[in-house]
Amino acid sequence: DSGVTQTPKHLITATGQRVTLRCSPRSGDLSVYWYQQSLDQGLQFLIQYYNGEERAKGNILERFSAQQFPDLHSELNLSSLELGDSALYFCASSVAGGTSGGQETQYFGPGTRLLVL
Amino acid sequence: QKEVEQDPGPLSVPEGAIVSLNCTYSNSAFQYFMWYRQYSRKGPELLMYTYSSGNKEDGRFTAQVDKSSKYISLFIRDSQPSDSATYLCAMRGGTSYGKLTFGQGTILTVHP
Repeated sequence: DSGVTQTPKHLITATGQRVTLRCSPRSGDLSVYWYQQSLDQGLQFLIQYYNGEERAKGNILERFSAQQFPDLHSELNLSSLELGDSALYFCASSVAGGTSGGQETQYFGPGTRLLVL
Repeated sequence: QKEVEQDPGPLSVPEGAIVSLNCTYSNSAFQYFMWYRQYSRKGPELLMYTYSSGNKEDGRFTAQVDKSSKYISLFIRDSQPSDSATYLCAMRGGTSYGKLTFGQGTILTVHP
């Protein structure tokens, strides 16, 4: 158990709908990352937050948005869902978000499996 | 062309074999190199973490980084059926905060 929790574990929804994925980081970790894992694209970085502020952005669609709350949990909002959005969505957390200049482990949660029908 | 290339396999070996997993990359800014293991329907877990070029050993696992060739490897000695998983290489630059760039992952099966 990495200490990172994600809810829900599974989500089935229809095209055009909107869903919210939730992540709670490990105790003491200030940075949260979101990744998408699909068969054709592999594991891809979406976005990073550090202590409530957006820190880095990857290949995140405009239909997707995220935020990190004062208690450090994070939510990933996916809207106008398409069939191609079906994937595993992982949240990871780390202590300092890569600012320390040294080695820093990202701990991954169990993921949310999203199926868009 | 992807920044990180990894042969997806699948790779099937008998128990006790030495396994070699590899990744190549194109971005010279990558300084930190990792190997993650992912069991089916689970999140990735960190196996090895290496900074810059060199070797690092941890039990049955050895990670090698050759920055001049832009090539990293993971060796598993005395492989066990419990090593059956997908192995993902990951990398990040020194100024890219925490963003990790992953390889496609190699599916490994170790047969008893």
